[in-house]
Amino acid sequence: EDQVTQSPEALRLQEGESSSLNCSYTVSGLRGLFWYRQDPGKGPEFLFTLYSAGEEKEKERLKATLTKKESFLHITAPKPEDSATYLCAAANAGGTSYGKLTFGQGTILTVHP
Amino acid sequence: NAGVTQTPKFQVLKTGQSMTLQCAQDMNHEYMSWYRQDPGMGLRLIHYSVGAGITDQGEVPNGYNVSRSTTEDFPLRLLSAAPSQTSVYFCASRLAGQETQYFGPGTRLLVL
Repeated sequence: EDQVTQSPEALRLQEGESSSLNCSYTVSGLRGLFWYRQDPGKGPEFLFTLYSAGEEKEKERLKATLTKKESFLHITAPKPEDSATYLCAAANAGGTSYGKLTFGQGTILTVHP
Repeated sequence: NAGVTQTPKFQVLKTGQSMTLQCAQDMNHEYMSWYRQDPGMGLRLIHYSVGAGITDQGEVPNGYNVSRSTTEDFPLRLLSAAPSQTSVYFCASRLAGQETQYFGPGTRLLVL
């Protein structure tokens, strides 16, 4: 059974204090590893897609990396506006063209000024 | 582009009532899907569609129906609402051959 586990469940940082969020996955035939940001009362907003181990993607203060077993979302010098829930999801090869997307439970990030 | 839109934003139902959650996208995406999000459970797939006239069940399909008569619209029907269906529902879409999904703003449903 596919599993995606995110840690920590919640992370509190001071503005400027860099850190990383972890996403461990067990998926049969990874087709993609996704990171989303979700603000309270809103839908998930796409951040990154990673397809193979060793791949890295960056956007402003965020950098996502991928290994064969986990992905990290590194946050460099965070600002209060980075506060949100960050979701990780993995797509498997599946038996159909659609595939299957398994989500983690998310990490709630709070950045204090 | 408006992206993925959902209506209503919030709905209260009584047990046994039926309703339809609307979802539309203007990106010409072939694939559309419905998820529910519950505390501590993550997002779970209810139903999905790979094109007009083609739908299939996801992880938690019981109590929900879908149809896809056009590329743009993918409504989700609750046949007889139950308190266990209290949740936040998200519609998503993506292009065939691409893995990245784009989500709507969600519908918050409360079943009393």
